[in-house]
Amino acid sequence: NAGVTQTPKFQVLKTGQSMTLQCAQDMNHEYMSWYRQDPGMGLRLIHYSVGAGITDQGEVPNGYNVSRSTTEDFPLRLLSAAPSQTSVYFCASSDRADRVNGYTFGSGTRLTVV
Amino acid sequence: AQKVTQAQTEISVVEKEDVTLDCVYETRDTTYYLFWYKQPPSGELVFLIRRNSFDEQNEISGRYSWNFQKSTSSFNFTITASQVVDSAVYFCALSEEPYNQGGKLIFGQGTELSVKP
Repeated sequence: NAGVTQTPKFQVLKTGQSMTLQCAQDMNHEYMSWYRQDPGMGLRLIHYSVGAGITDQGEVPNGYNVSRSTTEDFPLRLLSAAPSQTSVYFCASSDRADRVNGYTFGSGTRLTVV
Repeated sequence: AQKVTQAQTEISVVEKEDVTLDCVYETRDTTYYLFWYKQPPSGELVFLIRRNSFDEQNEISGRYSWNFQKSTSSFNFTITASQVVDSAVYFCALSEEPYNQGGKLIFGQGTELSVKP
């Protein structure tokens, strides 16, 4: 099925560990972005990309790295996990030329850092 | 700077009541896009509507309607004759036009709607 696929769905990390959250879309969307959702704070933008090879920081980028080597994939790397990074992470994509539809979101990754 | 404010943190209504969720936005761009998303208890984000800044027509879709007013920078969402299945967190979001801002959605804090039978 077409859409945005996030893996894993759940993850528990120890403080200091690193990991990569995967995000892939098969709709040939130029725009992709990562958000974290914390209670009472809505979704906050971590990093975003307007196309392969181009990324930029969002509102809360510290502790995260991204790269966009292909149109399809936009992985989010946690360099050294901290308890403050416990959150639900969503990846989204959108077609640059689309003025009708919304951004398509993945189903989320629930991350716990202990 | 861009900002989206949803002042209502929680709303509780009884089934069949009408309810309006408020959204106020800030942007310096003349071209921008506004969205509403629904997040049911299962956690996924469901797209409801997109409104472009150059189109101020209000929208109705079944029991849902949206009122976009550029003069007050508001994009409010009304559910008519609410149902228990409408219980969810609703997010308003803003995206701006310049090419290098693509993929950048700014969300409000969300409004949790509880519809009781």
